[in-house]
Amino acid sequence: DAGVIQSPRHEVTEMGQEVTLRCKPISGHNSLFWYRQTMMRGLELLIYFNNNVPIDDSGMPEDRFSAKMPNASFSTLKIQPSEPRDSAVYFCASSLEAGNTIYFGEGSWLTVV
Amino acid sequence: AQSVTQLDSQVPVFEEAPVELRCNYSSSVSVYLFWYVQYPNQGLQLLLKYLSGSTLVKGINGFEAEFNKSQTSFHLRKPSVHISDTAEYFCAVSQFGSNYKLTFGKGTLLTVNP
Repeated sequence: DAGVIQSPRHEVTEMGQEVTLRCKPISGHNSLFWYRQTMMRGLELLIYFNNNVPIDDSGMPEDRFSAKMPNASFSTLKIQPSEPRDSAVYFCASSLEAGNTIYFGEGSWLTVV
Repeated sequence: AQSVTQLDSQVPVFEEAPVELRCNYSSSVSVYLFWYVQYPNQGLQLLLKYLSGSTLVKGINGFEAEFNKSQTSFHLRKPSVHISDTAEYFCAVSQFGSNYKLTFGKGTLLTVNP
């Protein structure tokens, strides 16, 4: 069974450019999460969707960040405009129900220069 | 609010030695507890979790953890490690009532040397 699929795996972009990260959760899972991992701050929850609806976006850093989930099998995290401090690994994760085991994708490694 | 403290950022051990990775948490309500492992350039994989019941939890790859409510700890142990256990280990907590929201510790890098 396929796990959580993220793309791109690696992206290098220039400051000011728009970045779009994509995620396909595990089929049948109704909870989707976006996390960010940095050396300084560790793993942080950015946003949580349940049944395609954003439930908690309190971790989204600022207005430059936006996330959507147009259907049960696809989500995007967009950064516009990107800044060097956005450089991090962005993980998408999904679970069958809130509170169940969360399965992580392999991450999107973003470098903003 | 909840928080997790992993007391050691790095733990070097020799192959076949026992290991304990320490985790303490803080929460005003009851919690669920988790240990995840992250191998280089990969996502996180669940090792084990405590939801309720027996305080000794067994997970994959021979790891186990014990929930100690009085000491607010959830230490991870393995009696004999292998080179392949080299990875970063994360302790995480979520609260009853908002159990979707995992708060992670900063991680412990376990390095197993031959």
